[in-house]
Amino acid sequence: KQEVTQIPAALSVPEGENLVLNCSFTDSAIYNLQWFRQDPGKGLTSLLLIQSSQREQTSGRLNASLDKSSGRSTLYIAASQPGDSATYLCAVCSGNTGKLIFGQGTTLQVKP
Amino acid sequence: GAGVSQSPSNKVTEKGKDVELRCDPISGHTALYWYRQSLGQGLEFLIYFQGNSAPDKSGLPSDRFSAERTGGSVSTLTIQRTQQEDSAVYLCASSQNRATGELFFGEGSRLTVL
Repeated sequence: KQEVTQIPAALSVPEGENLVLNCSFTDSAIYNLQWFRQDPGKGLTSLLLIQSSQREQTSGRLNASLDKSSGRSTLYIAASQPGDSATYLCAVCSGNTGKLIFGQGTTLQVKP
Repeated sequence: GAGVSQSPSNKVTEKGKDVELRCDPISGHTALYWYRQSLGQGLEFLIYFQGNSAPDKSGLPSDRFSAERTGGSVSTLTIQRTQQEDSAVYLCASSQNRATGELFFGEGSRLTVL
């Protein structure tokens, strides 16, 4: 059974810092991995989608990497801003239905 | 609209009542998913629809939960005889390509059962 773990559960950094959020999964047979952002009381916003054949994806200040063999993904946020404060969720698709298994999330606070 | 639309955004009901939650996916997306997010818990898969295929109901927590998708578009999640533990945010997502596609989520329906 696929399990997804995110570390740390919470993170507080000063504005401008570069930071890394970690995601690990137990079964390396995945179709894709997706990173989401969730603001309080809101739905999920897709940030990056990495297919199983890819090693990384970039969007603006965000870079996500995928190492299937070790069951790990990282989300790198460059030059963090207070507007980046949110909960970041990692989700893995293990079957051809597109059904996602989510981690518990990392709640990020970027202080001005 | 351009995104996944869910209604109502908030629903307060009394224990034992039935509720219906609606999801309107992105136009052209054939895959539709329902998830539940409870306080302090992660997102839990409930049910998945793909085109005209039989839905994957493996995540539904009890037989009080059911969902349908009419005409391959709008979906309704029904919870019968609601219990307090049903209180959660119910999120709907859609995808263009079930296996490799990106999932797009709605804002969710927050259900409170008193």
